[in-house]
Amino acid sequence: ETGVTQTPRHLVMGMTNKKSLKCEQHLGHNAMYWYKQSAKKPLELMFVYNFKEQTENNSVPSRFSPECPNSSHLFLHLHTLQPEDSALYLCASSQVNLAGGSDTQYFGPGTRLTVL
Amino acid sequence: KQEVTQIPAALSVPEGENLVLNCSFTDSAIYNLQWFRQDPGKGLTSLLLIQSSQREQTSGRLNASLDKSSGRSTLYIAASQPGDSATYLCAATQGGSEKLVFGKGTKLTVNP
Repeated sequence: ETGVTQTPRHLVMGMTNKKSLKCEQHLGHNAMYWYKQSAKKPLELMFVYNFKEQTENNSVPSRFSPECPNSSHLFLHLHTLQPEDSALYLCASSQVNLAGGSDTQYFGPGTRLTVL
Repeated sequence: KQEVTQIPAALSVPEGENLVLNCSFTDSAIYNLQWFRQDPGKGLTSLLLIQSSQREQTSGRLNASLDKSSGRSTLYIAASQPGDSATYLCAATQGGSEKLVFGKGTKLTVNP
């Protein structure tokens, strides 16, 4: 496996279900990101893990819970979602510099989530 | 707070034409600016990254410029091909951080 992988690629869940999205990067990067892409809206940054520490939580509802057990893996745990949470969820990774800033972000193929 | 705008939202051109996609950003204190390509239902592919100290970057038929003082970047595509059809996204960093703020994208269609 190379680059950034995401599983599953497609997910359909009811509002009472609990599911998890998985992301793995094989690039040796030290930062990982979750983004949400909804129709007709810009890509929205949800969470950032920099050196495994969460550095950003853009007012994301608590029904989304991230987990970063190591620098190569990132999870997004989902529970009691709403239909408006249906979207493409993208994971990315990059190499962050100690002085700040980052090189190119590399994206996974995304998980298409549908909440019924 | 950084805001990124892309114009036009959609563009349709005949094959072989040279074209320019525009991106503007409100906060000039960026670390870098990146251009991505997204095919329908897929993830993003990085095209070009311009550091804040640079004026332009080139890769093949693509050339991206950066003018921090005016808060603008352009992506120039030479001799467009049907395979260039995709949505092109511009993203500027939130200040000097690693966080990217994206525009809504320009959907490009190159007709054979």
